[in-house]
Amino acid sequence: AQSVTQLDSHVSVSEGTPVLLRCNYSSSYSPSLFWYVQHPNKGLQLLLKYTSAATLVKGINGFEAEFKKSETSFHLTKPSAHMSDAAEYFCVVSAGYGQNFVFGPGTRLSVLP
Amino acid sequence: DAGVTQSPTHLIKTRGQQVTLRCSPKSGHDTVSWYQQALGQGPQFIFQYYEEEERQRGNFPDRFSGHQFPNYSSELNVNALLLGDSALYLCASSMLTLAGDYNEQFFGPGTRLTVL
Repeated sequence: AQSVTQLDSHVSVSEGTPVLLRCNYSSSYSPSLFWYVQHPNKGLQLLLKYTSAATLVKGINGFEAEFKKSETSFHLTKPSAHMSDAAEYFCVVSAGYGQNFVFGPGTRLSVLP
Repeated sequence: DAGVTQSPTHLIKTRGQQVTLRCSPKSGHDTVSWYQQALGQGPQFIFQYYEEEERQRGNFPDRFSGHQFPNYSSELNVNALLLGDSALYLCASSMLTLAGDYNEQFFGPGTRLTVL
C-alpha cells in the first residue's frame, strides 16, 4: 500500500524568499511521485513528476523536487516565491501501472508581500 | 483541446436523493478516475474505469457506482445521499504509455456537491 505525509499543513513565506514544502511517502513498489497545485476554484495542475529517471526533477514555474529513496522523501522547492504561488500543494504517490493516485493531505502556501 | 470537462459545476441535493455526475476525458485518453475531495482535505480515490470496466476501487461503499461509455466519457452515481457526501468530486483522465504505466493524470475542475 502507498501513503503520503505532508509535514506542514501551512507554510508562509515572504515574496522573493525560498519555498520548501516537505513530503514523505511509503510505497511497496518503486513509486511514481508527483506534485500538483490547486488554486482556489481551479482544477489540479501538475507541477512535476518523478518516474524513475533523474532524481532531481524540474517542473513548471521554477519549481523542482528531489527524490531521495534513502529518506523516502520528495520535497518541493523554489528559489524565490512569487505572489501567484499562493495555493494548495499536494504530493501524490502511485505504485505505477494501473495503480491509482494516493494524495497527501495538502500544504497551503501563503506568500506575504 | 478542451481538456477534462465535468458537469454540472455545482449541485445541491437533499439526503436520500440520488445524483449523477458526468466527465469527458482529455482527447486521446482512455482511462477515467474519480476522486472525492472533502473540504480541507486531499482527494480520495473512488474508482477507475478502463475499457468500460471498473478496474480499481477505493474504500467507498456500494452507494457509489460508475459507468464508462464507448467514447470514454464517464458517469459517477451516488445513491441514498448522506450529509457526509458533500464534497468536490474530481474526474481525472489518463492513458497507458508504451511502458504500460499511467504516466500522469489530468484533472477536471470538479463538481461541487452539497447535500442538505
